[in-house]
Amino acid sequence: AQSVTQLGSHVSVSEGALVLLRCNYSSSVPPYLFWYVQYPNQGLQLLLKYTSAATLVKGINGFEAEFKKSETSFHLTKPSAHMSDAAEYFCAVSVLSGGYQKVTFGTGTKLQVIP
Amino acid sequence: NAGVTQTPKFQVLKTGQSMTLQCAQDMNHNSMYWYRQDPGMGLRLIYYSASEGTTDKGEVPNGYNVSRLNKREFSLRLESAAPSQTSVYFCASSEQDSNQPQHFGDGTRLSIL
Repeated sequence: AQSVTQLGSHVSVSEGALVLLRCNYSSSVPPYLFWYVQYPNQGLQLLLKYTSAATLVKGINGFEAEFKKSETSFHLTKPSAHMSDAAEYFCAVSVLSGGYQKVTFGTGTKLQVIP
Repeated sequence: NAGVTQTPKFQVLKTGQSMTLQCAQDMNHNSMYWYRQDPGMGLRLIYYSASEGTTDKGEVPNGYNVSRLNKREFSLRLESAAPSQTSVYFCASSEQDSNQPQHFGDGTRLSIL
C-alpha cells in the first residue's frame, strides 16, 4: 500500500520569496515520485519526477525537489516565487501493481503569491 | 499537439439522467484512467484500462461504467446520475511503466441537480 501526505492545503508566499511545498510518502516498494501543477480550469501538468537516477531533481519553471529516503520526503522548492507560480500543486507516488501504473495523489497544496 | 481531449467541458444534469464522458488520446499510450477531483480530496481513481480490451475498477467505481473503445478512446458513463457525482472528471493516459508520468485532459465539470 502507498500513501502521500502534503502538509498545508494552502501556502502563501511573497513574490521573490522561497517556495517550499512539503510532501511525505509511504510505499511498500521503491516508488517513483512526481510533482504536478494545476492551473485554474486545467488538467494536471508534470512539473518534475524522481526515478532513482538522482536525488535532486530539477523541473520546469525553476522548481526542484529532493528525494530523501531516510525521511520519506520529496519536498518541492523554488528559490524565488513569481506571480505566475500561483496554482495548485500535487505530489504523487507511482508503483507498478498488477500490471498497471498505480498512482496515489496527495490532496494538493494551493500556492498563493502575494505581490 | 492535442494530447488528451475530453468532451464535454461542462455539463449540468438532473438526478437520474444518464450521460457519457468522452476521452481520446493521440500519444499511442497503452494505459488510460478516469479520475474525479473533489475539493480537499485530491484525485481519486474511478476506473482504469491498462491496455486495449481491459478495464478494471479503481478506488471509487460505484455508479460508473467504462468502455475502452479502442487504443485511443476511453469513455466514462453515468447510468443514473446522483448529486454525489457532482465533481470535476479527468481522463489521463500513460505508458505502462510506473516511472512514466500521466498526461491529463482539461477535465469535465459536471453538476448534478
